[in-house]
Amino acid sequence: TQLLEQSPQFLSIQEGENLTVYCNSSSVFSSLQWYRQEPGEGPVLLVTVVTGGEVKKLKRLTFQFGDARKDSSLHITAAQPGDTGLYLCAGVTGNQFYFGTGTSLTVIP
Amino acid sequence: ETGVTQTPRHLVMGMTNKKSLKCEQHLGHNAMYWYKQSAKKPLELMFVYSLEERVENNSVPSRFSPECPNSSHLFLHLHTLQPEDSALYLCASSPAGQGPENEQFFGPGTRLTVL
Repeated sequence: TQLLEQSPQFLSIQEGENLTVYCNSSSVFSSLQWYRQEPGEGPVLLVTVVTGGEVKKLKRLTFQFGDARKDSSLHITAAQPGDTGLYLCAGVTGNQFYFGTGTSLTVIP
Repeated sequence: ETGVTQTPRHLVMGMTNKKSLKCEQHLGHNAMYWYKQSAKKPLELMFVYSLEERVENNSVPSRFSPECPNSSHLFLHLHTLQPEDSALYLCASSPAGQGPENEQFFGPGTRLTVL
């Protein structure tokens, strides 16, 4: 079983602050994905990073894939209450998706 | 709306009951998945079907029985469950064989409570 550890597990910040969430593994993946899950819903894909060292930006969210394709980070600039949710990373190998432990983010207005 | 629907959204059952969860996808995908999501635990992959054949069964107890009659439908049959089986059960689909850009689309889940 490929294990992906996310940190921090819980994060509560004020609106407007910046934050970074980390996803670490000892395994190499073909790609790494980030999902956000809101209460009562399933996870929704935010981004896929494929190349080692790749950086992708989605408005205020910046995603980076580690050079060795084992780890990733998600940075949110000027967090908004709408960013509240559970953030999940997932390592992808073929049709297999290995999910991380999750980071629960609360942005306080 | 992700194109993946699950019914029922909530289910309460006794340990001796038999029930089934249903998942349907309208995306033309070839792979479907069942996951279990419990509090404070990572998403646990239970079963994977690709082109209607089961390709993964992650040591799931036999009280959970999957069925994939066609590429659009996936069922999870439940019988003699235990209270620790209470969780959110998520269905997902993906366009199998798309390489590293492969993306999963999740349904809203079924919140199961076993009394």
